[in-house]
Amino acid sequence: AQRVTQPEKLLSVFKGAPVELKCNYSYSGSPELFWYVQYSRQRLQLLLRHISRESIKGFTADLNKGETSFHLKKPFAQEEDSAMYYCALKGNSGYALNFGKGTSLLVTP
Amino acid sequence: EAGVAQSPRYKIIEKRQSVAFWCNPISGHATLYWYQQILGQGPKLLIQFQNNGVVDDSQLPKDRFSAERLKGVDSTLKIQPAKLEDSAVYLCASSLAQGRAGELFFGEGSRLTVL
Repeated sequence: AQRVTQPEKLLSVFKGAPVELKCNYSYSGSPELFWYVQYSRQRLQLLLRHISRESIKGFTADLNKGETSFHLKKPFAQEEDSAMYYCALKGNSGYALNFGKGTSLLVTP
Repeated sequence: EAGVAQSPRYKIIEKRQSVAFWCNPISGHATLYWYQQILGQGPKLLIQFQNNGVVDDSQLPKDRFSAERLKGVDSTLKIQPAKLEDSAVYLCASSLAQGRAGELFFGEGSRLTVL
């Protein structure tokens, strides 16, 4: 069965502090993982995908197959990073994604 | 580029009534998805279309939910009769069939409240 687990519902950090949003997955096969973000009053949108190995808005995420994790990290959080973050796993059919429950990140000054 | 359009944005109905949601995907996007997002949870796939054919509807409660995409463009999602537990935001998304895998473009959602 495919499952995405985000253990933290809410994560609160101070501006300038490092942040790590956790994501664990279960999947039989080669996983494709993504982070989506939803800022206040905006649409859900793609932040980054593991195959690109890119850094977007200072965020990075490394796929760790041994630990079945895809944690999202940023060394210095900014107030504009406050948003809802969803980890997602590409399923077996088409391009549909299975989403985790999400983590609300709050960055306070 | 126009984004995914959804309507209505908000709908309040009583249980056992029916409701329909409409979605217009980004032009040229062959794949269309309907997700249900209950408060405090992540989006859950209800149905995926490739052009006007169904790719995956395994999580669609077919006794009350139906969806169609007759001409391979717009889509409607219907609930009849609605139950209290159907209160949620219904998200429509689209993607290029052969595009960058995993990049779904979402609409603003239709928020349904069932009383």
